[in-house]
Amino acid sequence: AQSVAQPEDQVNVAEGNPLTVKCTYSVSGNPYLFWYVQYPNRGLQFLLKYITGDNLVKGSYGFEAEFNKSQTSFHLKKPSALVSDSALYFCAVRGSGAGSYQLTFGKGTKLSVIP
Amino acid sequence: DTGVSQDPRHKITKRGQNVTFRCDPISEHNRLYWYRQTLGQGPEFLTYFQNEAQLEKSRLLSDRFSAERPKGSFSTLEIQRTEQGDSAMYLCASSSDLGGPYEQYFGPGTRLTVT
Repeated sequence: AQSVAQPEDQVNVAEGNPLTVKCTYSVSGNPYLFWYVQYPNRGLQFLLKYITGDNLVKGSYGFEAEFNKSQTSFHLKKPSALVSDSALYFCAVRGSGAGSYQLTFGKGTKLSVIP
Repeated sequence: DTGVSQDPRHKITKRGQNVTFRCDPISEHNRLYWYRQTLGQGPEFLTYFQNEAQLEKSRLLSDRFSAERPKGSFSTLEIQRTEQGDSAMYLCASSSDLGGPYEQYFGPGTRLTVT
């Protein structure tokens, strides 16, 4: 079985400061990892993914994430937070095996950027 | 590319009634997914189609739930004899095999309230 843990229900950060949203995962075999963002009353928007290769992946809106295989983590980062980054962030995982397409999501982390 | 669309956006029904939701995926996407999201939780996988074939079903998908994708394009999710516990946001997503079956793109969701 695959699982995702987002240990922080909420993260508060001042505008202009760096932000980190934490994610750890469990999956059989090599993981495919994803971050999504959800704004109020809207669907999930894809931010970035790790499939293979470079452990640091870059995505939309200046976000990046670092894959750490030994720590089974995939933390989301941004060097300088904006008030408009305030939203709900979800980490998701799926296995790389054939026929394994369902995503397993964490419970989400609410990011609040304080002006 | 108009994105994934879902109809209706909101549905209020009385317990015991049947409801049907529609999802139109991104036009060239051959894979389609249904998820359910309740307040304070991440989306949970319900079922998955590759073209018109339903290839995966979660144990969450009780016998009151049925999904179809008759021509490999749009999909419907029907819930029979609704219960209050069915109240949730129902999300549809689609993805393509081009370049690998990776990120899923989500629609805005259908919010179901069972009274």
